[in-house]
Amino acid sequence: GENVEQHPSTLSVQEGDSAVIKCTYSDSASNYFPWYKQELGKRPQLIIDIRSNVGEKKDQRIAVTLNKTAKHFSLHITETQPEDSAVYFCAASRNTGRRALTFGSGTRLQVQP
Amino acid sequence: SQTIHQWPATLVQPVGSPLSLECTVEGTSNPNLYWYRQAAGRGLQLLFYSVGIGQISSEVPQNLSASRPQDRQFILSSKKLLLSDSGFYLCALRGPTGADTQYFGPGTRLTVL
Repeated sequence: GENVEQHPSTLSVQEGDSAVIKCTYSDSASNYFPWYKQELGKRPQLIIDIRSNVGEKKDQRIAVTLNKTAKHFSLHITETQPEDSAVYFCAASRNTGRRALTFGSGTRLQVQP
Repeated sequence: SQTIHQWPATLVQPVGSPLSLECTVEGTSNPNLYWYRQAAGRGLQLLFYSVGIGQISSEVPQNLSASRPQDRQFILSSKKLLLSDSGFYLCALRGPTGADTQYFGPGTRLTVL
């Protein structure tokens, strides 16, 4: 089955700096890659996703890049703000069969004011 | 729009007691439904998924079971809880193929004492 590795496990940045979180996946048939943000005690919320027919996607301060050949994808947050502090999860799935997301282990991002 | 309801929101149960968690969804038909568990400070573990009424697949052998008696209802059960069953239980849905986004319900926080 699919295996998703996520790094780093914790990340501390100064407000205004950029943050990058990286994930690798094992199943070459995976074609959907979402990123979720989870605040303490809350449900994970989708912040951005990318499909395998696209190499990069951007939404304001958030961008995701995908390298299908290397089987890795990354989340980039620019101009970080204290409210960006949370745990971020990457995930991967196929669009056939169970279509269940396999999640990375999470990155705790702390933005220092 | 799609909405996921989960109850109860919190639950404290003694070891050996039964469990029933309910998830209902609105605003979609024939969704894929999922149960995840998140231990404190950890990632998301897929427990069960269902592609339709009465169709349940288990991802992790354990003392939990799931049922889908109606298209928009997904139930997680146990006959005898273990201490290790404590965690944050999240129901999630994914629309039909072509609607990739996976949404999470608000979750049930279960503490087994």
